Amino acid sequence: EAQVTQNPRYLITVTGKKLTVTCSQNMNHEYMSWYRQDPGLGLRQIYYSMNVEVTDKGDVPEGYKVSRKEKRNFPLILESPSPNQTSLYFCASSLAGELFFGEGSRLTVL
Amino acid sequence: SQQGEEDPQALSIQEGENATMNCSYKTSINNLQWYRQNSGRGLVHLILIRSNEREKHSGRLRVTLDTSKKSSSLLITASRAADTASYFCATSPWSGAGSYQLTFGKGTKLSVIP
Repeated sequence: EAQVTQNPRYLITVTGKKLTVTCSQNMNHEYMSWYRQDPGLGLRQIYYSMNVEVTDKGDVPEGYKVSRKEKRNFPLILESPSPNQTSLYFCASSLAGELFFGEGSRLTVL
Repeated sequence: SQQGEEDPQALSIQEGENATMNCSYKTSINNLQWYRQNSGRGLVHLILIRSNEREKHSGRLRVTLDTSKKSSSLLITASRAADTASYFCATSPWSGAGSYQLTFGKGTKLSVIP
């Protein structure tokens, strides 16, 4: 089954404790992206990757890092999480401009 | 940067009625897409309409695009309780590989009452 898989789905952590949210797609898509969704602010892009070893900033990249060492994986790294990074995170991959989304990772930073 | 703005923000209808949602955007686009999101879940692609198209159908969905007014509408006919969700429009100004860069609106929350 074609899918985008994110882990963990839910996470509560504390300020400053590094964490990684993994994202994997099995559709051989070249394009992958991370979004965060916050009430009243909609969906905002954090980082995106057009292909392996090619990444670029989206609208809200501060406090996040990404890497794209292989086509299927696009992890999101929070080196030192802060409470303002509490949000619902989505990974997506794309074929022909249509995005396929993961089920989301709800992150709470205390 | 917010490009699309959906209207209304919330809509409540009876099952069987039609639901219409609108999206306005500010700059020229290559394509406009609509997505559905069930509460807290991942977004699901519904339909894509290109800037040179005026109307597109998919099952009970009808999308129109008016580039002169920079607006689009999504019509869901004969609504069902399962259509209850938030609906987002997303636009891209680019063609080719750049068309992957979408800007999303804040969504319309649709409630279909059985």
